[in-house]
Amino acid sequence: KQEVTQIPAALSVPEGENLVLNCSFTDSAIYNLQWFRQDPGKGLTSLLLIQSSQREQTSGRLNASLDKSSGRSTLYIAASQPGDSATYLCAVSLYSGGGADGLTFGKGTHLIIQP
Amino acid sequence: NAGVTQTPKFRVLKTGQSMTLLCAQDMNHEYMYWYRQDPGMGLRLIHYSVGEGTTAKGEVPDGYNVSRLKKQNFLLGLESAAPSQTSVYFCASLKRGGYNEQFFGPGTRLTVL
Repeated sequence: KQEVTQIPAALSVPEGENLVLNCSFTDSAIYNLQWFRQDPGKGLTSLLLIQSSQREQTSGRLNASLDKSSGRSTLYIAASQPGDSATYLCAVSLYSGGGADGLTFGKGTHLIIQP
Repeated sequence: NAGVTQTPKFRVLKTGQSMTLLCAQDMNHEYMYWYRQDPGMGLRLIHYSVGEGTTAKGEVPDGYNVSRLKKQNFLLGLESAAPSQTSVYFCASLKRGGYNEQFFGPGTRLTVL
C-alpha cells in the first residue's frame, strides 16, 4: 500500500527566507505527483504537477523536484512571503492505474511565514 | 467555467439520518472522485468513477454509496449517518489522457451529532 510522508509537519520562518518542504513515498511506481496548497477552511489549489518521467517543475517562486527511484520530492519556495502561509499537501497517483485510480495524500506541512 | 462545485457547503445531521452530497463539473471530465479529510489523517479516497454508470471503491468506502448517472455529476450518499462520518468531503475530477491532473471542489463540511 502506498504511503506518503511529509516532513516537517509544521514550519515557521521569517519573511524572505527560502525554504524546502519534503515529501516521500513508499512505492516508486507512480504516475505523477501533485503539490497542493490549502488555506484554512478552504479547498485544495493545485500548485505543481510532475509526471513520473520529469525531474522538476517550476511556477514563479515555486520549484518542485522529483526523484522517483528514491521515492522523494521537494517543494522549494523562494523569497517567502506572509501570503505563502498555508498547509502544503503532497499527493501521488499510481502507475498501475494509469494515474487515474485516485491520489494518496500526505498529511501536509503547515507553513507560517512571519512578517 | 465554474470548474468543480459541491452542494451543500455545510450540513449538520443527527445520527441515523440520511443525506446526499452533490458534485458537479463542467469540464467534461471522465473521472470523478470523493475524498474525506480528517484531522491527523489527511485526505482519503472514498469512491471514484471512471465514467457514466460506473463506480469503484477507494480506501474508505464503508457507510457510503455513490452514483454517476450523468457524466457531469457524482453523488455521495450516506444512508444512516454516524458521528464517525463527521468530516470535510472533497470532490475532484480528472480528464484522462493529458497530465491526469485532479481538480478539486471547495468541500462540504458535514457534522453528525
